[in-house]
Amino acid sequence: EAGVAQSPRYKIIEKRQSVAFWCNPISGHATLYWYQQILGQGPKLLIQFQNNGVVDDSQLPKDRFSAERLKGVDSTLKIQPAKLEDSAVYLCASSTRTGVNTGELFFGEGSRLTVL
Amino acid sequence: AQSVTQLGSHVSVSEGALVLLRCNYSSSVPPYLFWYVQYPNQGLQLLLKYTTGATLVKGINGFEAEFKKSETSFHLTKPSAHMSDAAEYFCAVSADGNNRLAFGKGNQVVVIP
Repeated sequence: EAGVAQSPRYKIIEKRQSVAFWCNPISGHATLYWYQQILGQGPKLLIQFQNNGVVDDSQLPKDRFSAERLKGVDSTLKIQPAKLEDSAVYLCASSTRTGVNTGELFFGEGSRLTVL
Repeated sequence: AQSVTQLGSHVSVSEGALVLLRCNYSSSVPPYLFWYVQYPNQGLQLLLKYTTGATLVKGINGFEAEFKKSETSFHLTKPSAHMSDAAEYFCAVSADGNNRLAFGKGNQVVVIP
């Protein structure tokens, strides 16, 4: 079974530029999450999708971050314009169901963003 | 809102010695608790979880954790460390039934031969 795929693995941009990250979850997983992991900290949830609808985006900085999950499969996370403090690893995860607290999220390897 | 505290970002342990990683949580409702592990160049994977029932839970690779409500703790242990246990370990809590996990800062475990 293929895992969660993310691209690109690494991205270096200058501040005020834009960047997009792509995620393909495990086939059949209805729920998709984007987490931000800043160096020395634990992952922080940015947004959670159930199929193509948003369940929770309360911690997404909506003035610069956006995310979509068209057709309830792949997802894209965009940052525009980027700030220095956006340097982090962006993790995508998926799970089989929500509303039942299984806690088993399947994570991709992450996309590491460096903003100069 | 729920949260977890993990103290000591780096933990060094000798091969064959006890591994003990501490996790304390804060939650206004009965929590669900998890330990995730991240091996080098890999994504996070679930090590073990407590939802309901038995408070001592066993996970993969010989790890176990005990939920202690009176101490608001969920410490992770392994009796004998192996070189392959070198990784970063994250404690996480969820309290809303929607798989929204709040992670601790993590412990980087180094195993000394």
